[in-house]
Amino acid sequence: DAGVTQSPTHLIKTRGQQVTLRCSPKSGHDTVSWYQQALGQGPQFIFQYYEEEERQRGNFPDRFSGHQFPNYSSELNVNALLLGDSALYLCASSRREGRTDTQYFGPGTRLTVL
Amino acid sequence: GNSVTQMEGPVTLSEEAFLTINCTYTATGYPSLFWYVQYPGEGLQLLLKATKADDKGSNKGFEATYRKETTSFHLEKGSVQVSDSAVYFCALPGYSSASKIIFGSGTRLSIRP
Repeated sequence: DAGVTQSPTHLIKTRGQQVTLRCSPKSGHDTVSWYQQALGQGPQFIFQYYEEEERQRGNFPDRFSGHQFPNYSSELNVNALLLGDSALYLCASSRREGRTDTQYFGPGTRLTVL
Repeated sequence: GNSVTQMEGPVTLSEEAFLTINCTYTATGYPSLFWYVQYPGEGLQLLLKATKADDKGSNKGFEATYRKETTSFHLEKGSVQVSDSAVYFCALPGYSSASKIIFGSGTRLSIRP
């Protein structure tokens, strides 16, 4: 059973460019959440998608947007990149049932903005 | 909203030493509690979880007990190995079982051979 997968593994962009990161959830999961982890810090919640709609959003600007597809996979888009957007971007998947909505994380995409 | 406070690191121990990483939480109700681990250069892995008071989560020799009275979820291991060197994050849901996960600041653990 494949776990959460993310692509690409690494990405280098320059300021002002746009980037798209991709995530495939664990089999049987229908909810995808995205997190940003700056170096030496804990992950910070960006947003969560369920049934192809954004359900929750953290304290991130509108430059950060996303999408969820009918097969539950998801994309994170960041426009007008800033140096401060350099981070590890983590995707997590979960299933909306029961009380324990445990999230399982992918290996992440490391984005470097020059 | 819910929050978590985690013991600051880094923590350096010798192999076979006893490990404790402290974690306390503030929450409405009794949410699930988690410990995640991040090995160098990798993403997060769920290490263990507990879903209700007095539950003990365990995995790979690590244990943590959900203490309602002290609002704590301390991570322990009786005998650490070099391969346990990683960053450990205490975490809980933001406000409901379907919500975002809130993470502590992380504790970097280094084990000397």
